[in-house]
Amino acid sequence: DTGVSQDPRHKITKRGQNVTFRCDPISEHNRLYWYRQTLGQGPEFLTYFQNEAQLEKSRLLSDRFSAERPKGSFSTLEIQRTEQGDSAMYLCASSSLAGGVEPTDTQYFGPGTRLTVL
Amino acid sequence: QQPVQSPQAVILREGEDAVINCSSSKALYSVHWYRQKHGEAPVFLMILLKGGEQKGHEKISASFNEKKQQSSLYLTASQLSYSGTYFCGTEIGGGKLIFGQGTELSVKP
Repeated sequence: DTGVSQDPRHKITKRGQNVTFRCDPISEHNRLYWYRQTLGQGPEFLTYFQNEAQLEKSRLLSDRFSAERPKGSFSTLEIQRTEQGDSAMYLCASSSLAGGVEPTDTQYFGPGTRLTVL
Repeated sequence: QQPVQSPQAVILREGEDAVINCSSSKALYSVHWYRQKHGEAPVFLMILLKGGEQKGHEKISASFNEKKQQSSLYLTASQLSYSGTYFCGTEIGGGKLIFGQGTELSVKP
């Protein structure tokens, strides 16, 4: 079990540039979540996938943010025209659908990508 | 919708006990507890499910009061390694978690 991996670990970019982050979940996990965390706050939900389907996207999420999980394995999160307010730690988590009507399982987090927008 | 954690911070001596509380205004399906050290990812501690089931990987105990939508995390005989920020994540269905603002725990020798 290699755990959730994220790439890059750090990204520094200039305002207005586009950035893309990658998340590789635990191999047998079919759910993948993206969260954003700023200093002193808990992780904030952005979006999540079940296999390749994007099931929910936060209403607080700007249209500049888009996420994909094309083959139900790794996922990418793209931010277009970055702003200084986008500076944060972007966390990915994965879990296994336990089955049943309302499944719940442990979400395992990756190490995160720290974005700094200058 | 964000759950409220209390206390915001606590300082302990090694061997002392602590309780961290998490309260939500929404009916919860489950509560998840994580510990995060500075600069690192949150690490799973425990899930408490509606109906009483618990799942955890460490010797940490917790409770979930479904009527009050409250959960408490009990840390006993604290060790230096327990230091970090503790977050509760609440689930109202669908799997996504809404996290509290965190409780910073410092354990001193």
